[in-house]
Amino acid sequence: DAGITQSPRYKITETGRQVTLMCHQTWSHSYMFWYRQDLGHGLRLIYYSAAADITDKGEVPDGYVVSRSKTENFPLTLESATRSQTSVYFCASSEEGGQPQHFGDGTRLSIL
Amino acid sequence: AQSVTQLGSHVSVSEGALVLLRCNYSSSVPPYLFWYVQYPNQGLQLLLKYTSAATLVKGINGFEAEFKKSETSFHLTKPSAHMSDAAEYFCVVMDSNYQLIWGAGTKLIIKP
Repeated sequence: DAGITQSPRYKITETGRQVTLMCHQTWSHSYMFWYRQDLGHGLRLIYYSAAADITDKGEVPDGYVVSRSKTENFPLTLESATRSQTSVYFCASSEEGGQPQHFGDGTRLSIL
Repeated sequence: AQSVTQLGSHVSVSEGALVLLRCNYSSSVPPYLFWYVQYPNQGLQLLLKYTSAATLVKGINGFEAEFKKSETSFHLTKPSAHMSDAAEYFCVVMDSNYQLIWGAGTKLIIKP
């Protein structure tokens, strides 16, 4: 089915480990985004991408790495996970810069 | 820089009563304003979008919002609340770089 899917939905890991969250969209949208959602903060932008091979930092990029070798995929990697990165992560995409963003169902990440 | 303030982290109304969720943005007029809704343990869904074509914007599920430049507000309303409206609502501003700036969210509680 068309849409945006995130995997895994739930992940538990330990501090210091590398974790990769996957995001895949079937609309061929140009823009893709990664957010984290924490209580009292709404959503905060981690990284975004305007097209394949083009990425840029958002509000809270430290500790995260992204890549976009293909238009449909936008993985987010935590190279050395810390407890402060425990959060719910949402991936989103939009057709163009000024269009509404469509969200995946999120990944709940717990770092022990 | 753009900012968004949602008044009230929790709003409680009786079923059938008017719903009013308040949102104020910073003084510079943003190109786009949105309301998103998040149902428990789900992703975010676009409720409505303001794009300067009309100050009163109608969205899904009977919600609407009015853009008031003089008050820098974009409040969300619904004439009659349903139990199914219980969710968290986010007011969002898109800045000139097409990045979304999120309010902290308001949880809507519907009393039977």
